[in-house]
Amino acid sequence: IQMTQSPSSLSASVGDRVTITCRASQSIGRFLNWYQQKPGRAPQLLIYGSSDLQSGVAPRFSGSGTETEFTLTISSLQPEDYATYYCQQSHGSPVTFGGGTRVEIK
Amino acid sequence: QVHLQESGPGLVKPSETLSLTCDVSGSSFSGFHWSWIRQPAGKGLEWIGHVFASGHTEYNPSFRRRVTMSIDMSKTQLSLKMTSMTAADTAIYFCARARQDGNPFFNFYFGVDVWGQGTTVTVSS
Repeated sequence: IQMTQSPSSLSASVGDRVTITCRASQSIGRFLNWYQQKPGRAPQLLIYGSSDLQSGVAPRFSGSGTETEFTLTISSLQPEDYATYYCQQSHGSPVTFGGGTRVEIK
Repeated sequence: QVHLQESGPGLVKPSETLSLTCDVSGSSFSGFHWSWIRQPAGKGLEWIGHVFASGHTEYNPSFRRRVTMSIDMSKTQLSLKMTSMTAADTAIYFCARARQDGNPFFNFYFGVDVWGQGTTVTVSS
């Protein structure tokens, strides 16, 4: 299953609302997870099951979607949110990741 | 606190076999499955495969012929062996944990919740 993220990069200011889209090449129900990765660090799980917030993750992060189209929203971008975001599907084997969306400072 | 720590040779020659280990602390092996995931520099993430506490393994078809994963509970350690290494295998290799579900279909539903820091592997003569 191929996962396509858009945009591949974006520039935003602190306080902006940011939305990242992930599309699956076939229906995956709600089997969609989101990760944040900062330079030189391992990815960190943000959202699982399309919309459930991982324990300890700030509530400004939210996820939605089902079947083939999903979104990750950051309601008010903070300085520590500048990073690359990946979606991952777990409906089919092998699990696959999107190409990533880099969020940069405007 | 759960901690995963990868270790390996750093540099591997083309055609040789890569051997990596991942030390696990703060977590039992049962109830979870343990993945290896890699990331070429500046690129995306690729799942290589996973191993369960039972020793059962599942591999990405892209790697199936070259990869062996195992668990050594006495050492609380995971291992990855990948044969016939080429320059295309140069990447950061992560070990990671995910919750095992009673229904295998849901094994990754809750995401990969703990990652090691990663170890860089360069394939070069």
